[in-house]
Amino acid sequence: QVQLVESGGGVVQPGRSLRLSCAASGFTFSSYGMHWVRQAPGKGLEWVAVISYDGSNKYYADSVKGRFAISRDNSRNTLYLQMNSLRPEDTALYYCAPDLHTTPYWGQGTLVTVSS
Amino acid sequence: QTVVTQEPSFSVSPGGTVTLTCGLSSGSVSTSSYPSWYKQTPGQAPRTLIYSTNTRSSGVPDRFSGSILGNKAALTITGAQADDESDYYCVLYMGSGIWVFGGGTKLTVL
Repeated sequence: QVQLVESGGGVVQPGRSLRLSCAASGFTFSSYGMHWVRQAPGKGLEWVAVISYDGSNKYYADSVKGRFAISRDNSRNTLYLQMNSLRPEDTALYYCAPDLHTTPYWGQGTLVTVSS
Repeated sequence: QTVVTQEPSFSVSPGGTVTLTCGLSSGSVSTSSYPSWYKQTPGQAPRTLIYSTNTRSSGVPDRFSGSILGNKAALTITGAQADDESDYYCVLYMGSGIWVFGGGTKLTVL
């Protein structure tokens, strides 16, 4: 069955960096675009970024553009999110998901806390 | 910047029918917006109910259906049950690779 396992979250100081990973299995990872979606404590869902199936196209929410970078390694069935210049408002549970318009799958999320 | 709109809260009686909507602050929702709907209870990951307007996710009861109603996407729940009490989110494709979630609807069954 499909599994999406996010990792790499933790507590980090403002201005520092963190890299999240999403290990995928149970589907042909290299055939699907992949998204990152986040949810701040007590708040709604916020789309963060998407990468095309082959990594050639990447798009970002305005709130993270220029600070976050999405990437993937199809040989390892793994999605990444490099987060730089972190801010307290980036504190959230980060989920990965394949194509939102063609698949129903979500991971369980990894928590990122940005605090001094 | 276009905002995706959802009713902040809604109430339905047990056994009743409720339609939640997902619209745009500017413009109309169409099938090209690929609306998807998610149910989330506190402390849990979102669960996909509907994707691409009206495709029901595996295991989702047919009490849940998606459609386009007028200029909005809609999620209709028939025969509401206590277990349906939850937060519901929609997401829309805005074009140019950008997706936007609505603010969510808190559904109460009472």
